[in-house]
Amino acid sequence: GAGVSQSPSNKVTEKGKDVELRCDPISGHTALYWYRQSLGQGLEFLIYFQGNSAPDKSGLPSDRFSAERTGGSVSTLTIQRTQQEDSAVYLCASTPVRGGGEAFFGQGTRLTVV
Amino acid sequence: RKEVEQDPGPFNVPEGATVAFNCTYSNSASQSFFWYRQDCRKEPKLLMSVYSSGNEDGRFTAQLNRASQYISLLIRDSKLSDSATYLCVLNTGGFKTIFGAGTRLFVKA
Repeated sequence: GAGVSQSPSNKVTEKGKDVELRCDPISGHTALYWYRQSLGQGLEFLIYFQGNSAPDKSGLPSDRFSAERTGGSVSTLTIQRTQQEDSAVYLCASTPVRGGGEAFFGQGTRLTVV
Repeated sequence: RKEVEQDPGPFNVPEGATVAFNCTYSNSASQSFFWYRQDCRKEPKLLMSVYSSGNEDGRFTAQLNRASQYISLLIRDSKLSDSATYLCVLNTGGFKTIFGAGTRLFVKA
């Protein structure tokens, strides 16, 4: 695709519900990252996928968070039993070679838990 | 210790001022370095790469100091449109891209 695509762009959910956020990286990009950004705060690393290697999940804040990447392309970030502190913008990025090179970001999903 | 550390700011400067940001990193095997810019409510985008010899792009100058493990960004003649968050970014020896949390800059008239 022309760029990294994320959906939905906005999501409002009730506390306790599960949500799924989708990222469609640039075709051919081998590395994919999920970040979280709370209002007025910096980027918080969540998870990193590199080709077929085991993902680096070291940034996931709790076991309510999980992510998968199917066929080395589309990724889904799932948050179970959402809490109000999960409210943030979730950004996905991909890079063209083995993690190196310029990172291209999607426009993010703004998640609001009410 | 965080892999990449930046002063979060905010830096408040008048138009025309010169401002500099530093970023320190902990992994000496880091191989490539970048500065990204993030405008309010937008995604980060590449501003410039940082080369060992230092590099300049108009009013922006980036420097890398491998011995002390830091990179810097200098902005001369600040414009209102420079107001943004500046992110320090590096690729480690494992090719993972790591983003700093960013430094906020406000340029005021």
